[in-house]
Amino acid sequence: AQKVTQAQTEISVVEKEDVTLDCVYETRDTTYYLFWYKQPPSGELVFLIRRNSFDEQNEISGRYSWNFQKSTSSFNFTITASQVVDSAVYFCALLSGSARQLTFGSGTQLTVLP
Amino acid sequence: DAGVIQSPRHEVTEMGQEVTLRCKPISGHDYLFWYRQTMMRGLELLIYFNNNVPIDDSGMPEDRFSAKMPNASFSTLKIQPSEPRDSAVYFCASSSGATSGRTGELFFGEGSRLTVL
Repeated sequence: AQKVTQAQTEISVVEKEDVTLDCVYETRDTTYYLFWYKQPPSGELVFLIRRNSFDEQNEISGRYSWNFQKSTSSFNFTITASQVVDSAVYFCALLSGSARQLTFGSGTQLTVLP
Repeated sequence: DAGVIQSPRHEVTEMGQEVTLRCKPISGHDYLFWYRQTMMRGLELLIYFNNNVPIDDSGMPEDRFSAKMPNASFSTLKIQPSEPRDSAVYFCASSSGATSGRTGELFFGEGSRLTVL
């Protein structure tokens, strides 16, 4: 069975602070993909990143960075120098080898205060 | 390029009425997904299609829900009769099997917010 846990329900930071959103996953498959999606207040879900299980190299995209650690089954997301526009719900998701659909975590509501 | 287009954006109806939600996927995408989002249950996959054929409808809550995809550019999700517990945001998403049908890069519509009174 596949499971994604986002233990942080809500996080509030002040603008320019760094913030890390945690994601822990469970799967028995050796081949799988991990994702982060952003849901801004407007409601749509926006794809941010995909990482496959064979690539543990961390990735940086501007102020966003992702830390994938198979040893702890975690795929954490860090926003550096947060901005008010980063306020959104962030979802971590898993697609494992035996499944054909994404399993989403429950989401983390991030609020960045000016 | 146009993204996934859903209609209506908002629907308010009374219990017992039929509701039809519509989706136009991105042209060229061969996978289409219907998700439901609620506070209590988060994002749930209801059904998905590949090349217009339903592949997995195990997430459809009950017989009151049905989905069709008559062609590659249109899908509907119908609830008949609707109940208050069906109130949620319903998302349609599409992806291209050639590059991401199995790798999860879904493109979501803006959602249809359904309220059943």
